[in-house]
Amino acid sequence: DVKVTQSSRYLVKRTGEKVFLECVQDMDHENMFWYRQDPGLGLRLIYFSYDVKMKEKGDIPEGYSVSREKKERFSLILESASTNQTSMYLCASSLPGGPPQHFGDGTRLSIL
Amino acid sequence: AQKITQTQPGMFVQEKEAVTLDCTYDTSDQSYGLFWYKQPSSGEMIFLIYQGSYDEQNATEGRYSLNFQKARKSANLVISASQLGDSAMYFCAMREYGNQFYFGTGTSLTVIP
Repeated sequence: DVKVTQSSRYLVKRTGEKVFLECVQDMDHENMFWYRQDPGLGLRLIYFSYDVKMKEKGDIPEGYSVSREKKERFSLILESASTNQTSMYLCASSLPGGPPQHFGDGTRLSIL
Repeated sequence: AQKITQTQPGMFVQEKEAVTLDCTYDTSDQSYGLFWYKQPSSGEMIFLIYQGSYDEQNATEGRYSLNFQKARKSANLVISASQLGDSAMYFCAMREYGNQFYFGTGTSLTVIP
């Protein structure tokens, strides 16, 4: 069965901290995505990656960076966390032009 | 312009009745895909159904069908014989060439016993 695993289900951090959200997939998918989900706004794409060491900005990349050193792992980094980054973060993967994305269970991040 | 528009923030349906969730999309690509996902209160995103832009038949998966009207750029989800377990958020999404996925803002469906 396909699996996308996010390292934490719930996370609480302080303003100004550097925060790492990890995502691992076991399907050998080329594409990986980070979204944030907020009520009334749906899912908004932060960054996506179509290959190792490759990344593209999504709709809302400000305040975030990403790292993809290995095919199976895609990390989202909040360089200096702020309270407006409190949100649900969803990681997903897919084959290029292929089946629909598979999602992780999400990380609910609170910045205090 | 919004790539995906879902105009119904909330919908109610009686158990065992059918319900249609609206979705319109905006793209200039010839090749694209349309998807629907279900997100229960537990939070996981569940893929429901897929329609390719070149598919001539409407996609169906069990009680789910996608009413694809290409000229109108609409991809409505029809759920037949609603069940209590269908209560959830439903998201319409589109994949364009280049592998970007765009999501709508979602429709919250409540099935009433």
